[in-house]
Amino acid sequence: GAVVSQHPSRVICKSGTSVKIECRSLDFQATTMFWYRQFPKQSLMLMATSNEGSKATYEQGVEKDKFLINHASLTLSTLTVTSAHPEDSSFYICSAPQRGVGGYNYGYTFGSGTRLTVV
Amino acid sequence: KNEVEQSPQNLTAQEGEFITINCSYSVGISALHWLQQHPGGGIVSLFMLSSGKKKHGRLIATINIQEKHSSLHITASHPRDSAVYICAVRSGETSGSRLTFGEGTQLTVNP
Repeated sequence: GAVVSQHPSRVICKSGTSVKIECRSLDFQATTMFWYRQFPKQSLMLMATSNEGSKATYEQGVEKDKFLINHASLTLSTLTVTSAHPEDSSFYICSAPQRGVGGYNYGYTFGSGTRLTVV
Repeated sequence: KNEVEQSPQNLTAQEGEFITINCSYSVGISALHWLQQHPGGGIVSLFMLSSGKKKHGRLIATINIQEKHSSLHITASHPRDSAVYICAVRSGETSGSRLTFGEGTQLTVNP
């Protein structure tokens, strides 16, 4: 089945540094990638939607200059947390819809997630 | 009020028990998804439903479009079923359609 490979799975970084998270679709073309953030014991919160070849769409309250999203190709989307602070510590996960004929959505594949700890 | 509500929030069962998790939604949908999130965080898509019932192994998912309600059943539960189960609905038909998530149900199955 369709697989989204997400790396790294876990990262610890110092406050003020930047961290890049990659999501690759391994056996299908992901024209769209959803990026989520999840705090402990809470559900997924959509941060932004990236589309190959165009600017990402950010949800209200998400700083686009802080969370840089790039969808460089049909198989790669990246999220860069810039100037990370301890409050950015969270679980980040990507998801790509599986597209059928005419753009019909027939499911979603999730990455394995990245646990970011900013110290 | 959330657009997608799940119950119960937490569920503890003994191995072998029959388990039901419920999901109610208040918006029009094109599909409903049941997801499983393991303690490490990874999410697996279990079912996508737009009507009726689906079965995969010990898992059964049903949906009643008129009542805007879905249930996930686990028969002969096992400790490895312990996870968070998330109901999510999709309103659009295209590949760009986003999901709206429930809060999740933490299931613990004791041996």
